[in-house]
Amino acid sequence: EIVMTQSPATLSVSPGERATLSCRASQSVSSNLAWYQQKPGQAPRLLIYGASTRATGIPARFSGSGSGTEFTLTISSLQSEDFAVYYCQQYNNWPPCTFGQGTKLEIK
Amino acid sequence: EVQLVESGGGLVQPGRSLRLSCAASGFTFDDYAMHWVRQAPGKGLEWVSGISWNSGSTGYADSVKGRFTISRDNAKNSLYLQMNSLRAEDTALYYCAKGIFGVPTGAFDIWGQGTMVTVSS
Repeated sequence: EIVMTQSPATLSVSPGERATLSCRASQSVSSNLAWYQQKPGQAPRLLIYGASTRATGIPARFSGSGSGTEFTLTISSLQSEDFAVYYCQQYNNWPPCTFGQGTKLEIK
Repeated sequence: EVQLVESGGGLVQPGRSLRLSCAASGFTFDDYAMHWVRQAPGKGLEWVSGISWNSGSTGYADSVKGRFTISRDNAKNSLYLQMNSLRAEDTALYYCAKGIFGVPTGAFDIWGQGTMVTVSS
């Protein structure tokens, strides 16, 4: 099973600043990686798939990059609604697909 | 409106069974793979099971293999999860999620609001 490791566990950033979240796979997942945002009491929302393709309706301030084992989610200018927990997920080796443990993005 | 609505959760004793349902609307259900993902209280996301558009391919997490069975009824736009031999560690909010492809290898673009399963005596 591929293990997904996200860092940091918690990231404190001020509104308007850039946030960079990392995700590492224990073996190559090619570009078969997605990012999700989850706010308290809500279901996850797909942000990025294919490592770098924004899902429908996702603002351009969200961007994804990477391939193989190293991936990054960048939020260029944080808005108040962006503070949430972010998960990466690999779907290259199915079953299973696996999620990272999450990064909590909090207001500094 | 594209929507997934889960039902069937509740409080159940260890060793007993429960069947979850997910009703889909607003998209062509039989074009897409579907999945169940769970989240224990205060924890992260755990993929549980997935099924291809035509039920030809199914997969399970090791933690539920042999106990849970996923199925779908395309005529009823519905997804199911039969959960047997439930354990305390199965306690979680169970989400139904739509895959972006007909095969199960893909991201999940639509999620329901979840149904809570609590396993306790």
